[in-house]
Amino acid sequence: GDSVTQMEGPVTLSEEAFLTINCTYTATGYPSLFWYVQYPGEGLQLLLKATKADDKGSNKGFEATYRKETTSFHLEKGSVQVSDSAVYFCALTTSSGGSYIPTFGRGTSLIVHP
Amino acid sequence: EAGVTQSPTHLIKTRGQQVTLRCSPISGHTSVYWYQQALGLGLQFLLWYDEGEERNRGNFPPRFSGRQFPNYSSELNVNALELEDSALYLCASSLYPGQGLNTEAFFGQGTRLTVV
Repeated sequence: GDSVTQMEGPVTLSEEAFLTINCTYTATGYPSLFWYVQYPGEGLQLLLKATKADDKGSNKGFEATYRKETTSFHLEKGSVQVSDSAVYFCALTTSSGGSYIPTFGRGTSLIVHP
Repeated sequence: EAGVTQSPTHLIKTRGQQVTLRCSPISGHTSVYWYQQALGLGLQFLLWYDEGEERNRGNFPPRFSGRQFPNYSSELNVNALELEDSALYLCASSLYPGQGLNTEAFFGQGTRLTVV
């Protein structure tokens, strides 16, 4: 079945450091890929998305490129802020067998220190 | 435009009891998904409803059930609660995904269930 693997956290950085959170996936067909963010005590919010190979999703300084050859969708940000501290989830949807179920990784906690 | 709303926000129940959680999707969305987010386990898919029908369910026992109403709102019912059912239950809505995979899911704030 479809699956998403994320690097385990927590990832701890100082403010203004560079961020990479790795995400790889296994899927039949051609999935769409997403990054969601969950701030403490809240639900998930869509951060960015990419729907086909080589697409780059971007939002709020975060970027991720859909790499079909490496089945990856790594999240990056050039300079993190304390307010970026949250849990980040990589996800995919695919029409495999008509299931359409959004599949999530386990989440990666990011902690940014001043 | 109102987002996905869930009620209640917090709930404490005793083992063996039954609970009902509610979700109102974004206007125009016909699909509703339920997920369980237990500590350290990420999001586990529970149920998917669209147009009033159950389309798929995750690997959970039958005491987890639900339904979707004609206005597309949804309920999740859990019978015979167990301690390990303690979790954040998240509801998400989207347009029917068969319309195209650009139909991302929008999440509610969740219901925090504690079973004691």
